[in-house]
Amino acid sequence: DQQVKQNSPSLSVQEGRISILNCDYTNSMFDYFLWYKKYPAEGPTFLISISSIKDKNEDGRFTVFLNKSAKHLSLHIVPSQPGDSAVYFCAASARGGADGLTFGKGTHLIIQP
Amino acid sequence: GAGVSQSPSNKVTEKGKDVELRCDPISGHTALYWYRQSLGQGLEFLIYFQGNSAPDKSGLPSDRFSAERTGGSVSTLTIQRTQQEDSAVYLCASSADRGGYEQYFGPGTRLTVT
Repeated sequence: DQQVKQNSPSLSVQEGRISILNCDYTNSMFDYFLWYKKYPAEGPTFLISISSIKDKNEDGRFTVFLNKSAKHLSLHIVPSQPGDSAVYFCAASARGGADGLTFGKGTHLIIQP
Repeated sequence: GAGVSQSPSNKVTEKGKDVELRCDPISGHTALYWYRQSLGQGLEFLIYFQGNSAPDKSGLPSDRFSAERTGGSVSTLTIQRTQQEDSAVYLCASSADRGGYEQYFGPGTRLTVT
């Protein structure tokens, strides 16, 4: 039973355009959500996070939106750059992170020139 | 500053052998986590340490898996009598404290059981 779902295994976006990565979750106990970026042969790198008490968090080109009623979050990257090509993982946490993060299977973002 | 380091980066072992994987967290981080990523899958949480203790070991896949942490720093994940299904990338992460949601990951150890 997947508690965090990323339904798009891959996404191709033209350089300069907006990239939108989506994530759905089922566990209503999740209270913190994170996005990680992963290059091949490297560990995931923390990108941006959002608490369940907020509906938007912005950091430079990256914005995360949370819709609690729909149990849905999305990551917007604008403008997309070639270096953004990577696998993006959505993760969720309950109980202050003590149980570890629950990850989706990832979306491979490809930025085309 | 130094991030999370893991060793070895790659390990090939024969089925039935024991392996030990090592993680050095970021200095001062009290919380340490182990995950594994099998081919085509997301990261699967295995175990969490706060200081030297692991409150919940139920995420470990089987009793062949064990983990310990000493001195509130280095952690080792041991897999006994390895099986082919143990082949995966094993990732370690640390965070500032139990409430530190943002976890910082090491590069992982790629384990291949032949």
